[in-house]
Amino acid sequence: NAGVTQTPKFQVLKTGQSMTLQCAQDMNHNSMYWYRQDPGMGLRLIYYSASEGTTDKGEVPNGYNVSRLNKREFSLRLESAAPSQTSVYFCASSAHGGTSGRGLGLYEQYFGPGTRLTVT
Amino acid sequence: GIQVEQSPPDLILQEGANSTLRCNFSDSVNNLQWFHQNPWGQLINLFYIPSGTKQNGRLSATTVATERYSLLYISSSQTTDSGVYFCAVEDTGGGNKLTFGTGTQLKVEL
Repeated sequence: NAGVTQTPKFQVLKTGQSMTLQCAQDMNHNSMYWYRQDPGMGLRLIYYSASEGTTDKGEVPNGYNVSRLNKREFSLRLESAAPSQTSVYFCASSAHGGTSGRGLGLYEQYFGPGTRLTVT
Repeated sequence: GIQVEQSPPDLILQEGANSTLRCNFSDSVNNLQWFHQNPWGQLINLFYIPSGTKQNGRLSATTVATERYSLLYISSSQTTDSGVYFCAVEDTGGGNKLTFGTGTQLKVEL
């Protein structure tokens, strides 16, 4: 049981290059999330997918796209990287009560190890 | 949207000391979670605590949802407790996503 996995762990891009960050979970969770963490800013939600087949914008979606490939996998794409996208990116997943029959709301959220991205 | 404030922003303790971290939130919530980010960046879920009190070893947490706050207690602190502690909430109209506070940076010294 690997939990939440992310690839790559580190990446350096030049301005204007594109890349896709991959995330997978093996906990059969419905909901998956992409966050970015910048010094002193805490965690900010980029995009999320409450269930397979749906995606929604979070707090800071500009410059990013996502794909919920299947229940296990949720990818984040930077089409034209900018220095402002230098950050640490975390993927996370959780179950939610709406599908577990246990009531409303999310349950424990689990994080991947992160991807440290530098854009020069 | 919902606002989540944590205090104190920074805390330095001697090993063996106790501490209390606070999380205030501005609206009704479905749930509240506490996370620890270790110095290597790994984020670990400590507590899922929409209300009431839970304990896990030297750590315990209490959420008083009606008064819109939660407390994380660390007793007999150890150097391995160092890192950043985040609380995060899902507001009742929030649509399956968490809003994070900016964290409390804890350093435990020998």
